[in-house]
Amino acid sequence: AQRVTQPEKLLSVFKGAPVELKCNYSYSGSPELFWYVQYSRQRLQLLLRHISRESIKGFTADLNKGETSFHLKKPFAQEEDSAMYYCALRGAGGTSYGKLTFGQGTILTVHP
Amino acid sequence: ETGVTQSPTHLIKTRGQQVTLRCSSQSGHNTVSWYQQALGQGPQFIFQYYREEENGRGNFPPRFSGLQFPNYSSELNVNALELDDSALYLCASSRGGQGEQFFGPGTRLTVL
Repeated sequence: AQRVTQPEKLLSVFKGAPVELKCNYSYSGSPELFWYVQYSRQRLQLLLRHISRESIKGFTADLNKGETSFHLKKPFAQEEDSAMYYCALRGAGGTSYGKLTFGQGTILTVHP
Repeated sequence: ETGVTQSPTHLIKTRGQQVTLRCSSQSGHNTVSWYQQALGQGPQFIFQYYREEENGRGNFPPRFSGLQFPNYSSELNVNALELDDSALYLCASSRGGQGEQFFGPGTRLTVL
């Protein structure tokens, strides 16, 4: 079974502070990991995926297979980063094919 | 490029009724995935359709069914509605089952 856990429902930081949104997963094979973001009154959209190893809007995430984690980090938070963030996992095939499994989400609030 | 659209935006049904939700995929996409998002939870995978065939299913009972049409648009049908079916229903389209999923704005279903 595949499972994604985001331990923090709410996270508050001040502008300019570092931010880390935690994500742990459970999957027996080699998963694909993603971070999705939903800004106020907007639809869910992909922020980044581990295979691309990109930095999007200053965010990075490293897949740690030993700790089964995929934490999202940004060194200097901005007010426009305030949003709901979901970590998601996709399996390689079989009954997992195409299926995204989401965590419960973390609401990030960046105060001025 | 036209994004994913869903209709209706919201609707109210009573227990035991049936409902049909519609999704138009993004131009160039041949795969549609459906998710249920209960209040305060992350989206949960219902099923995926690829070239008019069901291509993966989550832990939802058979009263959740779907269709995909030759133009790749899709319908989600739910029979014998229950109170717990109240949720936001999201569809996402992609190029193939493992492509990046682009989400629609969702349909808010309330079952009374």
